[in-house]
Amino acid sequence: KNQVEQSPQSLIILEGKNCTLQCNYTVSPFSNLRWYKQDTGRGPVSLTIMTFSENTKSNGRYTATLDADTKQSSLHITASQLSDSASYICVVSDRGSTLGRLYFGRGTQLTVWP
Amino acid sequence: EADIYQTPRYLVIGTGKKITLECSQTMGHDKMYWYQQDPGMELHLIHYSYGVNSTEKGDLSSESTVSRIRTEHFPLTLESARPSHTSQYLCASSDGRGAKNIQYFGAGTRLSVL
Repeated sequence: KNQVEQSPQSLIILEGKNCTLQCNYTVSPFSNLRWYKQDTGRGPVSLTIMTFSENTKSNGRYTATLDADTKQSSLHITASQLSDSASYICVVSDRGSTLGRLYFGRGTQLTVWP
Repeated sequence: EADIYQTPRYLVIGTGKKITLECSQTMGHDKMYWYQQDPGMELHLIHYSYGVNSTEKGDLSSESTVSRIRTEHFPLTLESARPSHTSQYLCASSDGRGAKNIQYFGAGTRLSVL
């Protein structure tokens, strides 16, 4: 069964600190992995997307890594800001269909305190 | 900034009412999607469309229906709303090209059925 598991479920950090969110997946055949940021009451916004051959991708203070062999990804947030408070969702796409079906994790709820 | 719009943002209605959730995109994308998301849970695909006059059911069974008469418009209809339909509904679109097939999400409609 294609699944995406994220940890931790929730995380509280102080402003200015770094943090790392984890994602494990069993989706096969793998096409790409993306991290989305979802603010409360809003739709998800894409942060990074990585294909099989990409090990790391950065977007400002966000750096995502991918290990396709172990089927793991992480999202590292550097020098956190209050505006980073959101749910971070790991999404994996398969290449077994023309739709490019997406499999969503439940997200890690990050709260940044001043 | 994604050009995909959902209305209304919030809707509270009584049981048995017919409702239509609107979704429009101005990016000329062929593929459009509807997802359902409960608090703290992953997104579930309920409907998708490859283009005009194309609609398919997603992974999660839903009593809602959709139509795609125009490229930019993908409304979702509930003929008789029930409390079990209370959820957040997210619309997305993509151009479907390439391996990455990035989906852009609207802000969502939060539906409460009393």
